[in-house]
Amino acid sequence: GAGVSQSPSNKVTEKGKDVELRCDPISGHTALYWYRQSLGQGLEFLIYFQGNSAPDKSGLPSDRFSAERTGGSVSTLTIQRTQQEDSAVYLCASSLAGRSSPDTQYFGPGTRLTVL
Amino acid sequence: GQQLNQSPQSMFIQEGEDVSMNCTSSSIFNTWLWYKQEPGEGPVLLIALYKAGELTSNGRLTAQFGITRKDSFLNISASIPSDVGIYFCAGQPGSNYQLIWGAGTKLIIKP
Repeated sequence: GAGVSQSPSNKVTEKGKDVELRCDPISGHTALYWYRQSLGQGLEFLIYFQGNSAPDKSGLPSDRFSAERTGGSVSTLTIQRTQQEDSAVYLCASSLAGRSSPDTQYFGPGTRLTVL
Repeated sequence: GQQLNQSPQSMFIQEGEDVSMNCTSSSIFNTWLWYKQEPGEGPVLLIALYKAGELTSNGRLTAQFGITRKDSFLNISASIPSDVGIYFCAGQPGSNYQLIWGAGTKLIIKP
């Protein structure tokens, strides 16, 4: 079956512009995560969706960042008024389990965002 | 945000050599995970550890969950060219689903 897909794979934008990044999780996975990976760093948690529960937005670095998940499937991460420090790879992951169990997160290939 | 201390940052080894990397934390974790990331791909789970002292193997890979619950190591025996990539440790504090990530160990195999 298809894995997690993300689009676009690369995005170059000018400072101050808004960008939208898309994630298509594995069908049937109820949990969806967004991470940010800066060069030479580990993954930084951004936001978590689980079923119909309110998302955990505790990792979003500023109010310029927002995300939504429509119909419990596709998710869009939006960054408004992009800054150069937003440049990073944005990774999406999905999993079957919820909040109380360790589970396997399956990652997409990421979107490389470059803000000029 | 909080990160684990992962070392070494990079390794240059000959094919056939054994590899060892580790992660330490000032906090206790209930789960330790080891992932591998190749260029242009997302991380892929290699080994998951759920119990202090647990030693788990996956082919040539062996990982252990430290007794103190504040560290873990990953060993790769008899390295081969396809082992190149960045290896990440990740810890799960408590029952929280969030993972805390190390900065990665880049493995390079000299021809």
